[in-house]
Amino acid sequence: AQSVTQPDIHITVSEGASLELRCNYSYGATPYLFWYVQSPGQGLQLLLKYFSGDTLVQGIKGFEAEFKRSQSSFNLRKPSVHWSDAAEYFCAVGASWGGGNKLTFGTGTQLKVEL
Amino acid sequence: GAVVSQHPSRVICKSGTSVKIECRSLDFQATTMFWYRQFPKQSLMLMATSNEGSKATYEQGVEKDKFLINHASLTLSTLTVTSAHPEDSSFYICSAPSGERGGLYNEQFFGPGTRLTVL
Repeated sequence: AQSVTQPDIHITVSEGASLELRCNYSYGATPYLFWYVQSPGQGLQLLLKYFSGDTLVQGIKGFEAEFKRSQSSFNLRKPSVHWSDAAEYFCAVGASWGGGNKLTFGTGTQLKVEL
Repeated sequence: GAVVSQHPSRVICKSGTSVKIECRSLDFQATTMFWYRQFPKQSLMLMATSNEGSKATYEQGVEKDKFLINHASLTLSTLTVTSAHPEDSSFYICSAPSGERGGLYNEQFFGPGTRLTVL
């Protein structure tokens, strides 16, 4: 069975500082990996995804993530955080399943940005 | 991107009543939709997979008689929490993958969620 671990429940960074959110996964085959952001009152929004190919993927809002198979990790990074980035971030792993995709989510990391 | 809506956004009900939550794909057809449950400060837990025209598939530990799912059209899935109790209070989220059936992977789009409070 697939699983996702996000070791950091809360992270606080200053605006303009760099950010790295950790994600480790467990999956028997090549994983499909995702990062989502959840803001109050809004649905989860996809930041970026990895299926294959280049292990460094670029996403929206200036985020990027690097897939490291040897470490079973898919950490999310941003060089300079903005106050509007404060939200809950979820890492997820997907198993290909016919016409859909069942996602297993990590427990999330709450990001607080200090001005 | 594609839009998924949920209705209602919030609902408060008395213990023992049933509550229906709707999930709609607004600008695409979804033969499959997923229902998740999220407790405060916790992750999303997949409850069931809703299949248009057939029975839903429930995850282990989810009572199918408690959480009735109907996927009557290509744009609508409903989740009915029957005989709700306070422990059913939670945030319920649906998602729908866009794209053709059988695609390598179809990006999922999430609804904004429904906050259920059972008194």
